[in-house]
Amino acid sequence: GQNIDQPTEMTATEGAIVQINCTYQTSGFNGLFWYQQHAGEAPTFLSYNVLDGLEEKGRFSSFLSRSKGYSYLLLKELQMKDSASYLCAVLDSNYQLIWGAGTKLIIKP
Amino acid sequence: NAGVTQTPKFRVLKTGQSMTLLCAQDMNHEYMYWYRQDPGMGLRLIHYSVGEGTTAKGEVPDGYNVSRLKKQNFLLGLESAAPSQTSVYFCASSPTAFDYNEQFFGPGTRLTVL
Repeated sequence: GQNIDQPTEMTATEGAIVQINCTYQTSGFNGLFWYQQHAGEAPTFLSYNVLDGLEEKGRFSSFLSRSKGYSYLLLKELQMKDSASYLCAVLDSNYQLIWGAGTKLIIKP
Repeated sequence: NAGVTQTPKFRVLKTGQSMTLLCAQDMNHEYMYWYRQDPGMGLRLIHYSVGEGTTAKGEVPDGYNVSRLKKQNFLLGLESAAPSQTSVYFCASSPTAFDYNEQFFGPGTRLTVL
């Protein structure tokens, strides 16, 4: 079966750095997405990785290791508005997105 | 541009009632999707469409039907609602399903079936 694992919840302090991990086992791989979802709102796109390595976009970076079935999202200089759920999703061999349950990130002052 | 819109935003149904959720996008996207999101679970694909007049089943299609008569609209129907269909429903669209194309989501419909 297809499976994506992420921690359920993480807590971090404003101004700090946090790393959210995602491991996956899917039938095929055509890329990995990270989305942000604030409570009661729709998911919004953060990043896409298809090759191994680090992609940096402002305060957010995303890393992929295809051989290990592993990705992480790195958030720097945390702000209160970063409190949200972060969803990892893999595009499988049928070009359908398989979603993790999401990691709820709580930012404390 | 409005992006992806969904109506209604909230709905309460009684078991056995029927309803239709409407999704509209103004980005001229070919692909459209219906997901449900339940607590502690990832988004699950119900049905999707790769173009006007075409639909396909996703991971959890039972109890739902869809239609894509116009490119910009994707309708999700519940013929006989059940409490297990209580969920938040999201519609999404993308230019294609391939590679970099991110999916753009509507604001969601919160459905409760009593």
